This record gives sequence, structure tokens and C-alpha cells, in this order.
Amino acid sequence: DAGITQSPRHKVTETGTPVTLRCHQTENHRYMYWYRQDPGHGLRLIHYSYGVKDTDKGEVSDGYSVSRSKTEDFLLTLESATSSQTSVYFCAISEGTGPYEQYFGPGTRLTVT
Amino acid sequence: GENVEQHPSTLSVQEGDSAVIKCTYSDSASNYFPWYKQELGKRPQLIIDIRSNVGEKKDQRIAVTLNKTAKHFSLHITETQPEDSAVYFCAAAYNDMRFGAGTRLTVKP
Repeated sequence: DAGITQSPRHKVTETGTPVTLRCHQTENHRYMYWYRQDPGHGLRLIHYSYGVKDTDKGEVSDGYSVSRSKTEDFLLTLESATSSQTSVYFCAISEGTGPYEQYFGPGTRLTVT
Repeated sequence: GENVEQHPSTLSVQEGDSAVIKCTYSDSASNYFPWYKQELGKRPQLIIDIRSNVGEKKDQRIAVTLNKTAKHFSLHITETQPEDSAVYFCAAAYNDMRFGAGTRLTVKP
């Protein structure tokens, strides 16, 4: 499973609270991604990183921020969670350079009440 | 940006039959086309991929074909088995990856 872990695996939070999800990898991959998965939408890219402190927006970045202060960790923050951010969040890594051969972490199920 | 459409949304076949899932994409710059299998409650798993300089790729019972002119690609599963039951996603990538909405495949024993 490409040495990817996510924490927490499940979280329930209230509207308006900040939430941070963590993705950790053990294999020194340069590219890391955050996706959300909702019924009928497949997987949609939120943000990605191509190196330490190098990040860019994806298709659905509004309401989310990311940080990558070291190679192994990529953090996703919801500054003020809303019910529309209830979703399953997957982290992924690329084994190469660019968006190729992506492998996913186990996912985090987030519920915003 | 890239738009990927996937059909059908659900597919039911008898064990041993073949299954075909089709995807179209909009951005002619896309050059990488993977397929993922996702079982209930699990992470998506990369099962096969194809680059734009190749028309077909096969791995045991699964194959992918790509038509760059028509901007469509397909997943073919032969001799289906009950353990092939899952949701399958196609994707297209250039600068980032865009996914189709998924196909729920059910293989009936």
C-alpha cells in the first residue's frame, strides 16, 4: 500500500470548527495529493504538492488549505468546516514525476454536523 | 479543464462473461489514462494504466484500449469472476488527474 497512512481515519466535527487531516508517507515521494470522494462525483482533486513548501490548487480547493513542511507529511486544513465538506478524503502519492501512477491512502471519513 | 465522462454507471454481468467500461475525455493534452478498482469501504487501487503513445495494453484478464483521435478509452475484463465486483474509475491526466464518476460492476455467480 505504498507506505501511506492517514489520520484520523474517522472524525465527526461541528460546523464552524477547524479540522486538520494528516497524510504521512514513508517512501520519500515528491508528489502528494488530496482528493475528496462523494457519491456520483468520483474523486476530485483539492490540492497537491510537488515538494516541500510547493503546493497548488486543484479542482475543488475553495474552503481548504494545505501545508507541507517536510517530505513525508502533507496536511489538509478546513479552516471553518461546513456540512458540504462532509466527505471521504483520500491522500495519494505519485511514484514518478507528475500525476502518474498514483497510489492512495486508506481514507478519512469526515462528518460535519 | 479536463472533463471525463464514464459509461455505464452500473453494469451487471454473469460470471464468465466479459465487461466493458468506456470513458471519454475532453483535453487533447491528456497523456496518461489509469483505471482504478474500489471495493466497498476500501481505497482505490490502480489496476492498469496506459500512456498516450500506446493503443492497447493487456494484463491477464484486463485490457485497456485508447483512441486518441476520438478521445476515448475503454476497460475490458474477460472471464469475469465474482471478486471482480467493485466500482471502477477511469481517469485522464496531464498536469493533474481528473476522474470519471465510476461504474459499479456486479458479477453474478
